[in-house]
Amino acid sequence: NAGVTQTPKFRVLKTGQSMTLLCAQDMNHEYMYWYRQDPGMGLRLIHYSVGEGTTAKGKVPDGYNVSRLKKQNFLLGLESAAPSQTSVYFCASSYLAGGADTQYFGPGTRLTVL
Amino acid sequence: RKEVEQDPGPFNVPEGATVAFNCTYSNSASQSFFWYRQDCRKEPKLLMSVYSSGNEDGRFTAQLNRASQYISLLIRDSKLSDSATYLCVVIRSNYQLIWGAGTKLIIKP
Repeated sequence: NAGVTQTPKFRVLKTGQSMTLLCAQDMNHEYMYWYRQDPGMGLRLIHYSVGEGTTAKGKVPDGYNVSRLKKQNFLLGLESAAPSQTSVYFCASSYLAGGADTQYFGPGTRLTVL
Repeated sequence: RKEVEQDPGPFNVPEGATVAFNCTYSNSASQSFFWYRQDCRKEPKLLMSVYSSGNEDGRFTAQLNRASQYISLLIRDSKLSDSATYLCVVIRSNYQLIWGAGTKLIIKP
């Protein structure tokens, strides 16, 4: 069982470039989440998904898009990267809805936007 | 004021000591509470849920005080391996997950 995996682990972008972060889970979880973590701040929910083909906005969705074409994958896209999007991005999945049970996190993607 | 607040620390504690820290929340409608542990440059991992009646898991005890709106984590007989950042998360309703910024704990030999 790999759990939750994320690719890439590190990335450096220039302002205005685009990229996609991939999250994959092999636990057959319905619920998946994308967070960002910045120094001195708690994890902030960007987008989440309650199942294949569905996505919804979290607390800080601006500048990001997501897609869940397959149950096991949740993609996070940055169309035009900005320095304010420099952060560590974590994907998570859970068995129950709404974060009411254990969230399993991927190892994170460290993104720097110059 | 942040919706969920934690003392950032670091708490420097000798091995074998007992340490406790709190997480305060501002929204009285909060429903569920958890403690996660995050090692340096790693992902968060669930430590324990926090129940209204309090709960214990080995050396760890979690308590909820709804009247004063905080949760606590107590670690007894601390080990070097307990060094980490401890995150609390408060869930107001489905998908309203509010995370604290974490309390850093350093256990010294």
